[in-house]
Amino acid sequence: NAGVTQTPKFRVLKTGQSMTLLCAQDMNHEYMYWYRQDPGMGLRLIHYSVGEGTTAKGEVPDGYNVSRLKKQNFLLGLESAAPSQTSVYFCASSARTRYGYTFGSGTRLTVV
Amino acid sequence: DQQVKQNSPSLSVQEGRISILNCDYTNSMFDYFLWYKKYPAEGPTFLISISSIKDKNEDGRFTVFLNKSAKHLSLHIVPSQPGDSAVYFCAASARRDTGRRALTFGSGTRLQVQP
Repeated sequence: NAGVTQTPKFRVLKTGQSMTLLCAQDMNHEYMYWYRQDPGMGLRLIHYSVGEGTTAKGEVPDGYNVSRLKKQNFLLGLESAAPSQTSVYFCASSARTRYGYTFGSGTRLTVV
Repeated sequence: DQQVKQNSPSLSVQEGRISILNCDYTNSMFDYFLWYKKYPAEGPTFLISISSIKDKNEDGRFTVFLNKSAKHLSLHIVPSQPGDSAVYFCAASARRDTGRRALTFGSGTRLQVQP
């Protein structure tokens, strides 16, 4: 039972490069989320999805895009990476918000 | 503006003693609260939760207390064990009629339990 799987686990990008972070869940959860964790800031919501084909903005969406073409996958894209996007990114899924989330193990991204 | 605040970045306690982690919130639309625990290089894992219709919820060594009038909740760990050393995040969920469908997290408190 894999739960939530994030790929890659680590990545170093140069400023201006693009990349996609992949999140996959095998629990048939409707809801999926992308958060970023920064020192002293906790977990901040980037984008989320309440079902296949739907996405919505969170607290810090600028510079990111997302897609949820399949229920089990939630992709986070950076079109033109900036040093301010250096962070640890966590994907999570849930059956409902109040049931609590299952998190992936994170992707550590460094933009130089 | 942080709607969920954990004002203590770190806490150190002796093994066997009580650990008390605090969390304050400002949004009166929050009506469900959760605590998550995070070890290094891992994702957060759910620990315990409480609905706003209760003022206490207990699960083994972990108890969460909610004071709605003060907009304050706390997590008590008794007795504390070295394996409890981790970062603890407080999170809040808004009422469904607000349309907000995601949890709001605090900044976390790093707990270190000394053997």
